Amino acid sequence: GENVEQHPSTLSVQEGDSAVIKCTYSDSASNYFPWYKQELGKRPQLIIDIRSNVGEKKDQRIAVTLNKTAKHFSLHITETQPEDSAVYFCAARKAAGNKLTFGGGTRVLVKP
Amino acid sequence: NAGVMQNPRHLVRRRGQEARLRCSPMKGHSHVYWYRQLPEEGLKFMVYLQKENIIDESGMPKERFSAEFPKEGPSILRIQQVVRGDSAAYFCASSPQEGGEQFFGPGTRLTVL
Repeated sequence: GENVEQHPSTLSVQEGDSAVIKCTYSDSASNYFPWYKQELGKRPQLIIDIRSNVGEKKDQRIAVTLNKTAKHFSLHITETQPEDSAVYFCAARKAAGNKLTFGGGTRVLVKP
Repeated sequence: NAGVMQNPRHLVRRRGQEARLRCSPMKGHSHVYWYRQLPEEGLKFMVYLQKENIIDESGMPKERFSAEFPKEGPSILRIQQVVRGDSAAYFCASSPQEGGEQFFGPGTRLTVL
């Protein structure tokens, strides 16, 4: 089955700096890659997603890039703010299936 | 438009008891997914259901766990004879169509004493 690896597991950045989280997936049939943000004790919330027919997508301070050949995708947060502090999860889904396979998560701490 | 609802939000059970977790999808959503999150870990898929049908239960433990999504009412995840290792946060998500974006509920935090 699909396997998603996520790095780093923790990331501490200074407010205003950029944060980058990387994920790799194993199944070349995966074609949908969402990113979720989960604050402590709260539900995961979708922040951005990308499909395999595009290489990059941007939404204000958040961008995601996808390299299908290498089977990896990344989340980029620019101009980080304290409210960006949370755990971020990447996920992958195959075209033929519906379940999301999640990475292990990255705990991001933005220091003021 | 109310989001995905789950209840109870917190559930405490003693070993050997049964746990019943409920999930009401968003209005108009007929696809429900259950995920389990152990402390400090990512979410792991358990089961995918449509109304009255289990579509994919490849992530469900073979024993003690069952799920249903009846024609009327919420989806239910049932854990019989709970053990300490069942302690986790259980999230359900719903989507309006197959392959659509999944919206998560607030989760049920199960503690087994």
